[in-house]
Amino acid sequence: RKEVEQDPGPFNVPEGATVAFNCTYSNSASQSFFWYRQDCRKEPKLLMSVYSSGNEDGRFTAQLNRASQYISLLIRDSKLSDSATYLCVVAGGFKTIFGAGTRLFVKA
Amino acid sequence: GAVVSQHPSWVICKSGTSVKIECRSLDFQATTMFWYRQFPKQSLMLMATSNEGSKATYEQGVEKDKFLINHASLTLSTLTVTSAHPEDSSFYICSASVLAGGHSYNEQFFGPGTRLTVL
Repeated sequence: RKEVEQDPGPFNVPEGATVAFNCTYSNSASQSFFWYRQDCRKEPKLLMSVYSSGNEDGRFTAQLNRASQYISLLIRDSKLSDSATYLCVVAGGFKTIFGAGTRLFVKA
Repeated sequence: GAVVSQHPSWVICKSGTSVKIECRSLDFQATTMFWYRQFPKQSLMLMATSNEGSKATYEQGVEKDKFLINHASLTLSTLTVTSAHPEDSSFYICSASVLAGGHSYNEQFFGPGTRLTVL
């Protein structure tokens, strides 16, 4: 089993749709969680950190479920510019592990 | 946010040559720098973690004699791919982080990446 698993997609959604991604992790001792966004042939950029209480930033909502060991990212009112690969990142101890990413295509 | 630069952004070289990639944190001091490799349509794979002034810690399966990492200052780390071969062709990305208490909990700031093509 991979340490961090994501559905690779692709998710094809129309503009304005709501889309959700999940990411599962295997190490119950993991302590920090992030969602990064990576555009084609570019470096990853931090989208948001994921807190135990859940957090929201505009159209983006991230949640953590420690009991089931997964994190989620919800995107509301999708824009064309949201098309990218979303990487789930799990950190703990001295290790940071990236998921393989979920590809999202938002179409007009 | 903090800025990390990488140089060169792309390089083409002949098989058997060595290639050096630089990673610099421009407006902050990076306690730790990370080197990743990404093949097309695959995830980022951590190659090594580098702390300033000490030897890099390599991930399992990464040859430390082939991928030489030097982290001489808090703003510069270099990765040298020695005797490069076509299978080393990849996208190499560095990131920098300021650690708290020695744990990698903080945001990583990524460089723009270096695309290496070995002929």
